[in-house]
Amino acid sequence: DAKTTQPNSMESNEEEPVHLPCNHSTISGTDYIHWYRQLPSQGPEYVIHGLTSNVNNRMASLAIAEDRKSSTLILHRATLRDAAVYYCILINAGNMLTFGGGTRLMVKP
Amino acid sequence: DTAVSQTPKYLVTQMGNDKSIKCEQNLGHDTMYWYKQDSKKFLKIMFSYNNKELIINETVPNRFSPKSPDKAHLNLHINSLELGDSAVYFCASRRGGFYEQYFGPGTRLTVT
Repeated sequence: DAKTTQPNSMESNEEEPVHLPCNHSTISGTDYIHWYRQLPSQGPEYVIHGLTSNVNNRMASLAIAEDRKSSTLILHRATLRDAAVYYCILINAGNMLTFGGGTRLMVKP
Repeated sequence: DTAVSQTPKYLVTQMGNDKSIKCEQNLGHDTMYWYKQDSKKFLKIMFSYNNKELIINETVPNRFSPKSPDKAHLNLHINSLELGDSAVYFCASRRGGFYEQYFGPGTRLTVT
């Protein structure tokens, strides 16, 4: 499975935008980019996914580089409830999720 | 309505015992999964299962076995529990294709 690389942790101020980067230089043409997050003491929660084009939903936006070797999850206005570990995952045809270490996002009031 | 539910939420047991964790999804999904999250917080896939196929992560000991009485349930049975089995176990389900997975709240297993 293609691997992803994310910073271990990031900090943000409340109500400011947050850009969470993910590198996936070995991505294949059929890999989808998925983002999940895990709030403390909860199961992972789906955030967003995309293949080639940028995507928006009610939770976040996903910006995918033209060569698809990196992507950025954008939280437009961070809230305290967004403090979580964010995982960037590549999904192949077998669709087995392989989680890396993720990025721990800390939001300061 | 809980989409993916697990019971029990907490399970404390002694080494050598056999235990089961139950998972149910009411989403009508075709595929269900079990994940293990250890003390270092890494999430590892254990099993992927639908009506047709069981895919096992080869690193999972054969003391662990998934049992699916029907499409909405995937239980995890563990024989001869060991200290290293202590972890949080998550069940998940997915509709199909490249759609998102929905996770349960987790079962914290402590083996003493």
